[in-house]
Amino acid sequence: GQSLEQPSEVTAVEGAIVQINCTYQTSGFYGLSWYQQHDGGAPTFLSYNALDGLEETGRFSSFLSRSDSYGYLLLQELQMKDSASYFCCRMDSSYKLIFGSGTRLLVRP
Amino acid sequence: DVKVTQSSRYLVKRTGEKVFLECVQDMDHENMFWYRQDPGLGLRLIYFSYDVKMKEKGDIPEGYSVSREKKERFSLILESASTNQTSMYLCASSPPVRGQGGYTFGSGTRLTVV
Repeated sequence: GQSLEQPSEVTAVEGAIVQINCTYQTSGFYGLSWYQQHDGGAPTFLSYNALDGLEETGRFSSFLSRSDSYGYLLLQELQMKDSASYFCCRMDSSYKLIFGSGTRLLVRP
Repeated sequence: DVKVTQSSRYLVKRTGEKVFLECVQDMDHENMFWYRQDPGLGLRLIYFSYDVKMKEKGDIPEGYSVSREKKERFSLILESASTNQTSMYLCASSPPVRGQGGYTFGSGTRLTVV
């Protein structure tokens, strides 16, 4: 995806913590979102950060640093069902949501 | 729960055919979007619409058009299908406030052009 960079694949062990990083281009930037997509499924919304700092939703947290054009998704207490693709997305000033290429997370037992 | 429904899960069309992909949402959302998803490329925005009769080009509008005659329905049209339009097409809707609840996606239409 254009204007966002995230790792293509990450592998982690069940019960562990994993962080998926994302850097983005700042032109027209309004906020950073994260979506999860299981194979064959639709993307589902996880989180949105418009301001610097950490947003926590259960086992998932998302962080944004505007000064560094950087964000991350933190997944704790990994479960097998967390194996999926995770997309960081930038929301621009015209409501458009631009997706990164996605990070494929594989959780091993 | 917001529901976004795409009329077909799988479609096979011939090169040169005119193809209509339909999307309906039931939460009175102003914003609707069409993306295509290809391996390694993520989701790329084709067209979006802020309101009835309104449309804006996304990042890859070439070869596509859209129609939004009613608020709940957003149609993607391939005027003359080509093999490079074989892809997964995803429709989404969102409320007008940025980030609020995020986008809701339909289940997708996997289009194969032969």
